[in-house]
This record gives sequence, structure tokens and C-alpha cells, in this order.
Amino acid sequence: DAGVIQSPRHEVTEMGQEVTLRCKPISGHNSLFWYRQTMMRGLELLIYFNNNVPIDDSGMPEDRFSAKMPNASFSTLKIQPSEPRDSAVYFCASSPDTLPYNEQFFGPGTRLTVL
Amino acid sequence: ELKVEQNPLFLSMQEGKNYTIYCNYSTTSDRLYWYRQDPGKSLESLFVLLSNGAVKQEGRLMASLDTKARLSTLHITAAVHDLSATYFCAVGGGAQKLVFGQGTRLTINP
Repeated sequence: DAGVIQSPRHEVTEMGQEVTLRCKPISGHNSLFWYRQTMMRGLELLIYFNNNVPIDDSGMPEDRFSAKMPNASFSTLKIQPSEPRDSAVYFCASSPDTLPYNEQFFGPGTRLTVL
Repeated sequence: ELKVEQNPLFLSMQEGKNYTIYCNYSTTSDRLYWYRQDPGKSLESLFVLLSNGAVKQEGRLMASLDTKARLSTLHITAAVHDLSATYFCAVGGGAQKLVFGQGTRLTINP
């Protein structure tokens, strides 16, 4: 199994630009999670989907952030416009709906730098 | 609201020594996970603990769960340099969601 795939692995952009991060979950996993990790705030859950439907987006910082999951094998996290404080590592994770385990498997992350 | 706290947040220790990382959580949960993160890398699952008294061991790491005390421990035995990493506990927060602790940065010195 290829594991969770994220692209790009690194992104450097200028303030005000649109950024799109991509994620392909593990095949057969029903839930997909977007996290942000920074030194100051640690690991934060931004949003998660179950069966392609957004379940909890309470962690999305503001309207500049949006996420979609058009099908079971693809999700995007978009930031528009980007700001320097959005610089972080963004992880995507997926899990199967096999209670009680629900173990989450993480992708390699996208390191975003906004100048 | 579920809160998860780890301590210590930073731990520097010598090779060969034993130590324990603690994970406390604020509300009842039916599952707890331990993850490892190497610098610049992703999170790797170490243990899944599902019941009171559960104990899992892998090499020099042993994790246990006390659901009554809402406490999990990650015990390191005879530490070696390769175990240097940041360790996170995560607690089931309802449905598929996990709430992560702040992480414990472990440095093992020769």
C-alpha cells in the first residue's frame, strides 16, 4: 500500500497568493483529516471528512481556508489569500471506519512557507 | 471539551536509563494512541490502547492505559539514541476524531 500521499511536499509562495494542497488517502479509508503543525500551536485539527462529507470544520482558522473532498480518493485544502502566519507543516491523515480502532495514518506533510 | 496533556514536554536523558512519559486526558474515552515523530518527518503510529489495563510493548517501549485515572504512560527502558524523537499521545474525541497532546520531545544522549 502506498500510504497517504500529499503534494506538493514543499511550497514557497508570496503573501496574497492562492495555495492548494492535495491529498490522496489510503484506499478503502472512509475518513480524512487535515492537520496543521507549528512550533507555537502544536498539532491542530483543521477539518475532517467521513465518506467525503465534511463532519467537523471547527478548526478551520478563518474564511481564507477551504477544503473539499470531491471523491473518496482525493481532497484539497486551499488558502486564499495566503498570509505569512499560515506558514506551517500541513498533514493529511486517513483512517478506516473499523471501530474501535479508527487508527489514523499520516501522510508525509506539506511544508508551506508564505513570504 | 476533551483536553489532553502530556508531561514532561521536554526530556533529556542518558542512554541506558529508564523514564516515563505521562498522558492525562479530561473526559472519558474508549481509545488512546501513541505516535512518534522524527524531526522533519511525519507521525508514525506506535500503539493503540483500547481498554482499561491494556499494555502494549514494542522493543524498549511499553505503553499502558488506566481509563479510571484517565492516564496513559509510555515507558522507555534502557534508552538508546535511536529513540530520540517527539512522542504524542492522542485520545478518541468522539466518532473518528482524535485530540492530540502537545508532544514530548525526547533527547537521548550517549
